[in-house]
Amino acid sequence: EADIYQTPRYLVIGTGKKITLECSQTMGHDKMYWYQQDPGMELHLIHYSYGVNSTEKGDLSSESTVSRIRTEHFPLTLESARPSHTSQYLCASSGTQGGWGNSPLHFGNGTRLTVT
Amino acid sequence: DAKTTQPPSMDCAEGRAANLPCNHSTISGNEYVYWYRQIHSQGPQYIIHGLKNNETNEMASLIITEDRKSSTLILPHATLRDTAVYYCIVRRNYQLIWGAGTKLIIKP
Repeated sequence: EADIYQTPRYLVIGTGKKITLECSQTMGHDKMYWYQQDPGMELHLIHYSYGVNSTEKGDLSSESTVSRIRTEHFPLTLESARPSHTSQYLCASSGTQGGWGNSPLHFGNGTRLTVT
Repeated sequence: DAKTTQPPSMDCAEGRAANLPCNHSTISGNEYVYWYRQIHSQGPQYIIHGLKNNETNEMASLIITEDRKSSTLILPHATLRDTAVYYCIVRRNYQLIWGAGTKLIIKP
């Protein structure tokens, strides 16, 4: 099993609060990703990182921000949570052995966020 | 970007081989075919991937047609724990195009 951890597993928070979702991996992977998934729906990429100090926006527009100060850590922050942010957030990482497209993504178990 | 087409649901008897089809007729030459599965609300679990050749690992086999326009994931001896949503994905670099997947139900 891949060693990628997300905390918290579940979070219920009020509108307007600032939140940070944590993601850490112990595999030394340089690539990391954040996906958003609504129940029964497909995954959408919201952020990714090539490595330390690099962050890029994904295909789905998101009001969240990310940082990559350390290889193993890729936190996602919402400055002011809204009910529309209610979703599951999945973090993943991948290495570069064999080329970028040839290295599987390994996922954490996600954070299920509910904004009331 | 290539997209994939999968049947929305399939059944399979426990102990039998489960064959999950996927069409990716617009795939490009440098795009990989990946398979993941997702059980309930857990994170997706990697199963297998390939570019041109058929692949096999401890979980499954992947058969890719010669023209690369379709593929089949084979679970050789399905168990009840294989009940999940299975995603066939085309990938180029950071981009994985996820569809709705196939809900596979293994029946006793």
